Amino acid sequence: DTAVSQTPKYLVTQMGNDKSIKCEQNLGHDTMYWYKQDSKKFLKIMFSYNNKELIINETVPNRFSPKSPDKAHLNLHINSLELGDSAVYFCASRRGGASYNSPLHFGNGTRLTVT
Amino acid sequence: QQQVKQSPQSLIVQKGGISIINCAYENTAFDYFPWYQQFPGKGPALLIAIRPDVSEKKEGRFTISFNKSAKQFSLHIMDSQPGDSATYFCAAGYTGGGNKLTFGTGTQLKVEL
Repeated sequence: DTAVSQTPKYLVTQMGNDKSIKCEQNLGHDTMYWYKQDSKKFLKIMFSYNNKELIINETVPNRFSPKSPDKAHLNLHINSLELGDSAVYFCASRRGGASYNSPLHFGNGTRLTVT
Repeated sequence: QQQVKQSPQSLIVQKGGISIINCAYENTAFDYFPWYQQFPGKGPALLIAIRPDVSEKKEGRFTISFNKSAKQFSLHIMDSQPGDSATYFCAAGYTGGGNKLTFGTGTQLKVEL
């Protein structure tokens, strides 16, 4: 009955590779996010989708491309991985379109290590 | 103006003591101030939240104090327990904020026996 699930939990890869992280939520939420948490625990929003439509695209290299096949899924594809991409990536969801004050539900993260 | 400044970066408290984490913001448009709790290996989870029309909100041992004029808010954990050891994030959001929260930099709390 996991609410927001991400796969894989760990991802170790070499520089230059392309990788994807998948996210699914079973909460019936309309809005989904990708956050990046660096080694100092700082949480930074990357993208947000509402009903499959991109609504937030922060200053993120275009090597990062989100895709939302339906409102329950939001995947993150990363091309040409760099050392600086090493971080924990969190998927999150919340109900409503512009409900900035409804709780964010986070997945347990994907720890990406680029060597 | 979008920043939320959080302090301290880390905090060690004895069991039974009071843990206090502070946050300050600049953008007066912010009107929603949640706190998230993150355990190792887990994603953050909403702990408690406050709107600026009240100065305090209490849920069990957790209290948010809000000072609108000073643009500051804080989390107080009463009777701190080892199980409270986690990273705590304050955050802020507002209607015109594009459906997102701005997070503070986090505080790693350790409650010792």
